[in-house]
Amino acid sequence: DIQMTQSPSSLSASVGDRVIITCQASQDIRDCVNWYQQKAGKAPILLISDASELEIGVPSRFSGTGSGTHFTFTINGLQPEDIATYYCQHYDHLPQYTFGQGTKLEI
Amino acid sequence: QVQLVQSGPEVKKPGASVRVSCKAPGFTFNNDYIHWVRQAPGQGLDWMAFIDPTGGSAKYAASLRGRVTITSDTSTDTLYLEISRLTSEDTAVYYCALGVTAILIWGQGTLVTVSS
Repeated sequence: DIQMTQSPSSLSASVGDRVIITCQASQDIRDCVNWYQQKAGKAPILLISDASELEIGVPSRFSGTGSGTHFTFTINGLQPEDIATYYCQHYDHLPQYTFGQGTKLEI
Repeated sequence: QVQLVQSGPEVKKPGASVRVSCKAPGFTFNNDYIHWVRQAPGQGLDWMAFIDPTGGSAKYAASLRGRVTITSDTSTDTLYLEISRLTSEDTAVYYCALGVTAILIWGQGTLVTVSS
């Protein structure tokens, strides 16, 4: 099974900062990675699909890049409402779905 | 927009079974997958299984195979997750969610507590 190693597990930043979260896949997974935001006590929300496609209605300060085994999620200009835990997620053709361990973002 | 409405919280004893339901009022599943994802207290997201409601095919995470069954009732557009031989490690919020390559819509979650 493919493993998704997400880092860091927690992160403290200030309003206006650039925040970068990474996910490393244990093997080549092309661009089959999604990114989710989960606020405390709420269900997750899909932010980015297929490594870099921003979902409709998601602010443009969120972005994703990567292909193969290394993926990056970036918040440019952190806002107070971005306090949440962020997860990467891989899907494959089997289909099989795997989440990263999550990154808890604090301000 | 589609909403997934889940059944209410459950408290079960170790060794028992639990069934959680998920319904999409007014929505007919077509070429969609319904997933079950759980989240233990303070922990991350753990994908459990998915079902193709129209075709009936299902796939389970290896760690849960044999203890988890997901079914669909297309006449009522209701999905079910059943977990048998519960242990305290099954205490979690259980989400049903809709999507194929990405999970687009999530239910509100159902808390299952396993305690003696």
